[in-house]
Amino acid sequence: GAVVSQHPSRVICKSGTSVKIECRSLDFQATTMFWYRQFPKQSLMLMATSNEGSKATYEQGVEKDKFLINHASLTLSTLTVTSAHPEDSSFYICSASAAVGNNSPLHFGNGTRLTVT
Amino acid sequence: QQQVKQSPQSLIVQKGGISIINCAYENTAFDYFPWYQQFPGKGPALLIAIRPDVSEKKEGRFTISFNKSAKQFSLHIMDSQPGDSATYFCAASMNTDKLIFGTGTRLQVFP
Repeated sequence: GAVVSQHPSRVICKSGTSVKIECRSLDFQATTMFWYRQFPKQSLMLMATSNEGSKATYEQGVEKDKFLINHASLTLSTLTVTSAHPEDSSFYICSASAAVGNNSPLHFGNGTRLTVT
Repeated sequence: QQQVKQSPQSLIVQKGGISIINCAYENTAFDYFPWYQQFPGKGPALLIAIRPDVSEKKEGRFTISFNKSAKQFSLHIMDSQPGDSATYFCAASMNTDKLIFGTGTRLQVFP
């Protein structure tokens, strides 16, 4: 089945530094990837839609200059949390689909636990 | 209108029992309704999904019931097992991959 790999699984960083999270589709090409954020015991909130070769589309309330998304190839999207603060500590999860639209199943990575000290 | 309401927030079921989780939506443009299972520290995994042209879909011990007129759908887990203990999310989308998730249900199945 379709596999989405996310790296790293855990990261701890100091306030003010930047952290990059990678999301790869291992056995399929994904023109669209999605980035979600999940706080403890809460639901997944969509942050942005990442399209290969074009700018990401951010959801309302998500700072695009803080959460930089790059989707340079059909198998890789990256999320960079810039100038991280403790309130950015969360579980970040990416997802990808092998086909755009048409309700194709979304496959999720195993998430990245970010802790900002 | 974009919300998907999910209940209960938590559920405790005896092994062998039936677990039932309910979801309701407002936006009639939604046409794809998946259920995801999430274990602690892991990403969600697709369990089963349904489209509004059918009222029920069954895969193994998992069944989705869909009521289009009431704008509700539910997940039934038959013969619940301790290994089913996880958080379950319903979701909905409008012919895109952009899913709107419910608030989640934490299921605990005791032996």
